Amino acid sequence: EVQLVESGGGLVQPGGSLRLSCAASGFTFSSYWMHWVRQAPGKGLVWVSCINSDTRSINYADSVKGRFTISRDNAKNTLYLQMNSLRVEDTAVYYCVREFNKGAYWGQGTLVTVSS
Amino acid sequence: QTVVTQEPSFSVSPGGTVTLTCGLTSGSVSTSNYPNWYQQTPGQPPRTLIYSTNTRSSGVPDRFSGSILGNKAALTITGAQADDESDYYCVLFMGSGIWVFGGGTKLTVL
Repeated sequence: EVQLVESGGGLVQPGGSLRLSCAASGFTFSSYWMHWVRQAPGKGLVWVSCINSDTRSINYADSVKGRFTISRDNAKNTLYLQMNSLRVEDTAVYYCVREFNKGAYWGQGTLVTVSS
Repeated sequence: QTVVTQEPSFSVSPGGTVTLTCGLTSGSVSTSNYPNWYQQTPGQPPRTLIYSTNTRSSGVPDRFSGSILGNKAALTITGAQADDESDYYCVLFMGSGIWVFGGGTKLTVL
């Protein structure tokens, strides 16, 4: 069974940093593109970033470019999102998602709250 | 900047058929945008319904179907049921590794 379990969310002050992790199991992690998608409270889904299987291709939404860094450790079956210079508008549930074009699997999400 | 458009809300009667659409403020949606469709109920992560325009995800009933209609991607629900009342989102591949979600459609079944 495919499982994606996010962790690392929490409360952080504006300007602070946080690192999210996504532990994957039940499939060959190293074979898939992985994405981060976020959802602010009461709002819609927003694509954040993606990384291909061998980390050679990485992409970001304009809203996070230069502040967020996606990475993966295929030996540990784990996806990461390093978030720096956090803003109030980054407050959201962050979902880890396995490859859109192969019938995406979604984690349960982890809540990031940016507030003073 | 191109925006992905969806109807903010839609209503369907039980047993009825509804088609939700996913368009672009500039240009047409094609299979090269690999439209995906997701269903989300409050407090839950999204559930994948359709990927690559018209491929149904595992376990999704065949009353959900995806297509290209005119210049938009479309999700058709045939024989709507009460538990289809959800938010529906599309996402499109915009090239250069970038994906963009639509704003979502809130579907009411009544």
